[in-house]
Amino acid sequence: DIQLTQSPSFLSASIGDRVAITCRASQGISDYLAWYQQKPGKAPKLLMYAASTLQSGVPSRFSGSGSDTDFTLTISNLQPEDFATYYCQQVKSYPLNFGGGTKVEIK
Amino acid sequence: EVQLVESGGGLVQPGGSLRLSCAASGFTFSDYYMDWVRQAPGKGLEWVGRSRNRGNSYTTEYAASAKGRFTVSRDHSNYSLYLQMNSLRIEDTAVYYCVRGIIVAGIYYGMDVWGQGTTVTVSS
Repeated sequence: DIQLTQSPSFLSASIGDRVAITCRASQGISDYLAWYQQKPGKAPKLLMYAASTLQSGVPSRFSGSGSDTDFTLTISNLQPEDFATYYCQQVKSYPLNFGGGTKVEIK
Repeated sequence: EVQLVESGGGLVQPGGSLRLSCAASGFTFSDYYMDWVRQAPGKGLEWVGRSRNRGNSYTTEYAASAKGRFTVSRDHSNYSLYLQMNSLRIEDTAVYYCVRGIIVAGIYYGMDVWGQGTTVTVSS
């Protein structure tokens, strides 16, 4: 099984900050990585797929990079609606594991 | 509007069974991979199982925790996805989401439409 390790698990930031969340895969997954945002009590929302392709309707302040085993989700100019938990997911092989999540909170 | 609506959750005793349903609308159901993902209270996301699309003969895959106990199926006449859950355990307690897969140039890349979720509680 491919394991995903996200860091940090918790991040405190201010409005307007630039933040980066990393996701490391236990083996190479090319660009078969997706990022999701989840707010309390809501279903997750797809932000990014193929590591760096922005899903339709997602603001351009979100960006993704990386390939093989190391990936990054960057949020530029953090907005109030961005405070949420973020998950990465590998879709290279079964089981389709998710990372443990990164909670982004207001400083 | 593309939409997924789950139903069928509830309280069940350990060892019992439950069938979750997901009504799909707004897209050609047979063209898409469909998955079930769950989230235990206060925990992260866990992929449960999948039904591939018509082009892949609707074949299924399961997480180790679901294999042999859970079955994913479809009813094409009413655009529905199902998750039959047998031999339920306390650790199956979670919100269960029905999810559509995003496919680009024939390659599966993630989960682009999520239902609102249905809650399953396994307790005596």
